[in-house]
Amino acid sequence: SQQGEEDPQALSIQEGENATMNCSYKTSINNLQWYRQNSGRGLVHLILIRSNEREKHSGRLRVTLDTSKKSSSLLITASRAADTASYFCASSINNAGNMLTFGGGTRLMVKP
Amino acid sequence: AAGVIQSPRHLIKEKRETATLKCYPIPRHDTVYWYQQGPGQDPQFLISFYEKMQSDKGSIPDRFSAQQFSDYHSELNMSSLELGDSALYFCASTPGATMNTGELFFGEGSRLTVL
Repeated sequence: SQQGEEDPQALSIQEGENATMNCSYKTSINNLQWYRQNSGRGLVHLILIRSNEREKHSGRLRVTLDTSKKSSSLLITASRAADTASYFCASSINNAGNMLTFGGGTRLMVKP
Repeated sequence: AAGVIQSPRHLIKEKRETATLKCYPIPRHDTVYWYQQGPGQDPQFLISFYEKMQSDKGSIPDRFSAQQFSDYHSELNMSSLELGDSALYFCASTPGATMNTGELFFGEGSRLTVL
């Protein structure tokens, strides 16, 4: 990936467990976003964290951002089978627009 | 709520043929982005348009061209298709500056298969 790398590439957990996905990026960013993609479907925005923020919550999602390490993590708590999807981080490096550069994605499987 | 509409959803072409994908952004969204996602790959930015003018250009091959029309819909034209062009092509849109949160709103994608 030109901008980011994600790890793990695949994650399999049981329903009720927490899932943590990590993302690294290479250049200075304006904001970092996480998107979800069901197999072969469109990307759905989950959460956005700005470069001057360190942590953000939305429902069962918690995102952290460490600009000194150029990394972010997405935590999904109390996972459900319906959370099974691929999760991508995407960084915005252009203050004039919303062009996003996506990372490699983590395929999450939540077993019932 | 209205979403981004892409057509066709599936398209099968032979090598060296041409293909045109269409994108209808959410009403009152003035910026359109095109992304290409190969099998098992992350989405790659191709090109974007703001108010009918090209605003950013990514890894779009010279064989591809795109434009945004007066009604803000956009078309991606692909010529001399190659096997490697087989991918999901996503369009996304964003509203004008005062409503813009940074989030991109994606369509369901057009799946192009080149045989």
